[in-house]
Amino acid sequence: GAVVSQHPSWVICKSGTSVKIECRSLDFQATTMFWYRQFPKQSLMLMATSNEGSKATYEQGVEKDKFLINHASLTLSTLTVTSAHPEDSSFYICSARDRAGGPKEQFFGPGTRLTVL
Amino acid sequence: AQSVTQLGSHVSVSEGALVLLRCNYSSSVPPYLFWYVQYPNQGLQLLLKYTSAATLVKGINGFEAEFKKSETSFHLTKPSAHMSDAAEYFCAVSGGNQGGKLIFGQGTELSVKP
Repeated sequence: GAVVSQHPSWVICKSGTSVKIECRSLDFQATTMFWYRQFPKQSLMLMATSNEGSKATYEQGVEKDKFLINHASLTLSTLTVTSAHPEDSSFYICSARDRAGGPKEQFFGPGTRLTVL
Repeated sequence: AQSVTQLGSHVSVSEGALVLLRCNYSSSVPPYLFWYVQYPNQGLQLLLKYTSAATLVKGINGFEAEFKKSETSFHLTKPSAHMSDAAEYFCAVSGGNQGGKLIFGQGTELSVKP
């Protein structure tokens, strides 16, 4: 149980294009999903908290117009990197909290490797 | 505010030796504490969690951690390292009015020598 998937697992795009990453909770409902960014050999940096049916809450320093987050259902959140540039290349990981409870545990997706040329 | 400090960005042990990864936290409210493991190019897998019940927490793959409030520590141990334990390990804290956010430590890379 508690499986989170991400699609795609890796993507290469040209500078200036937009990329959408999907995060799905496969066997549970998630009212809250989180999006993280991870640079090589570094820890996870929380980008935003996504709540189903409401606007995402972005962490300080994260451009909300560049990283668009939509949480349209209890099992799906999407992150769109708009007008991507090489500095946006990174490993993006989502996580989800089970609506049913649990002590604030988050279940993580496998990550998406974005490379912007 | 909450924070996590992992002492040692890289730890190397021999196969069969004790594994000790250190984690200290700061929290103004009773914390929930977690250890996650990350293999290359993968997401995070939960090893174990402390949720204010037993202070000695047993997790998967033979790992355990002890919550010590007086020392604000939650160190991860395993009696005997396996080659397959080589990975990145993250300690994280959650709690209070953080909205369920996890605050991660910097990570510790564990290497296991044959």
